[in-house]
Amino acid sequence: GAGVSQSPSNKVTEKGKDVELRCDPISGHTALYWYRQSLGQGLEFLIYFQGNSAPDKSGLPSDRFSAERTGGSVSTLTIQRTQQEDSAVYLCASSLRGTGGYEQYFGPGTRLTVT
Amino acid sequence: AQRVTQPEKLLSVFKGAPVELKCNYSYSGSPELFWYVQYSRQRLQLLLRHISRESIKGFTADLNKGETSFHLKKPFAQEEDSAMYYCALSDHSGAGSYQLTFGKGTKLSVIP
Repeated sequence: GAGVSQSPSNKVTEKGKDVELRCDPISGHTALYWYRQSLGQGLEFLIYFQGNSAPDKSGLPSDRFSAERTGGSVSTLTIQRTQQEDSAVYLCASSLRGTGGYEQYFGPGTRLTVT
Repeated sequence: AQRVTQPEKLLSVFKGAPVELKCNYSYSGSPELFWYVQYSRQRLQLLLRHISRESIKGFTADLNKGETSFHLKKPFAQEEDSAMYYCALSDHSGAGSYQLTFGKGTKLSVIP
């Protein structure tokens, strides 16, 4: 079946602009995660959604970052007033549930470059 | 706070030689440990998890709570094992999100 999809695959933006990254999780998966993969920092957790519960935003690096998940499915990660240090690969993952240690399935990522 | 350490950025071995990718962790609770792999131009995927105690593609990993380690081993490396390997810990101490804390990864290169 279809896996996790993300769009765009690549995004180049100028410093100070806003960007939106999209994630389509696997159908039926109630848990959705965003991670960031950057040089020197490795993979870092950003935010987690589980069903209709309030998201766990503990990994968001600043208030320029926000995310929403509409209808329990598609999620959008928004970065406002982008900075060069935001350049990274943004990965989305989904799992059947957020509890019980279900396997997380990862998307191909969006490579963001801030010039 | 939880932390995962992979001391080797790059590990090169000859085909047929044994492989050990090191992973150490710090975590105050009862951890759940994973190994994820990313082959060239492919997405990140789960290789194995400690609770399943199974061998995948010839790889095994044993959780050693005394040494806080979860090293990945394979007795005979194959060229197709060349990839980036990440050790990860599942954190369910917060809001029950089971987010993953990753090490910085080890690039395994198997020399023909």
